[in-house]
Amino acid sequence: YDLTQPPSVSVSPGQTASITCSGDKLGDKYVYWYQQRSGQSPVVVIYQDAKRPSGIPDRVSASNSGNTATLTISGTQAMDEADYFCQAWDGSTVVFGGGTKLTVL
Amino acid sequence: QLQLQESGPRLVKPSETLSFTCTVSDVSITSITYYWGWIRQSPGKGPEWIGSIYHDGGTYYNPSLQSRVTLSVETSRSQFSLHLSSVTAADTAIYYCARLLSGGSSQYFDFWGQGALVTVSS
Repeated sequence: YDLTQPPSVSVSPGQTASITCSGDKLGDKYVYWYQQRSGQSPVVVIYQDAKRPSGIPDRVSASNSGNTATLTISGTQAMDEADYFCQAWDGSTVVFGGGTKLTVL
Repeated sequence: QLQLQESGPRLVKPSETLSFTCTVSDVSITSITYYWGWIRQSPGKGPEWIGSIYHDGGTYYNPSLQSRVTLSVETSRSQFSLHLSSVTAADTAIYYCARLLSGGSSQYFDFWGQGALVTVSS
């Protein structure tokens, strides 16, 4: 099972960034999103499609339907610049997307 | 506060076995809610799941690595371990241990160790 993400997304400070993750019938599975800042370990920012762990601001949101899941960051700040990975469980295997580098210009 | 600490050799020769241990601190490794897993990440690439283990020794592996991977757990030491045999340069990566929150169709890593860069080279 494959998850496809765009390699890079650019956004201006204060604007909204959207990062997609595509897979066959992905909407039938839970999707998770991780943020990985430079030199750090990944941190989960979204679990079970759209839930935020404690400490993640509400300007981070997500959805999952059909073949595409989307991570949305509104009011983007410099601190949001990072790599973002989607992840799903296909019933027997944990699968990660290739990652999207979010650049805040 | 959960802590996960990877330990093992950072340099492994081709054809040898990569062995790493993760020590779990401040949380019980025998919690019924969690599995424990290994993930690796080659430079500039997305993470690759290696496998996961439960405290009773139950395991499941990435099919692409299954023939070379063995996971084990030692609850008395609050540790779990990774053994990857017949390594090549393609196995050079940062290796992370992590806690896997597992519940039916929900499977994700809610806490990661700091990771350790392992280089395969003669």
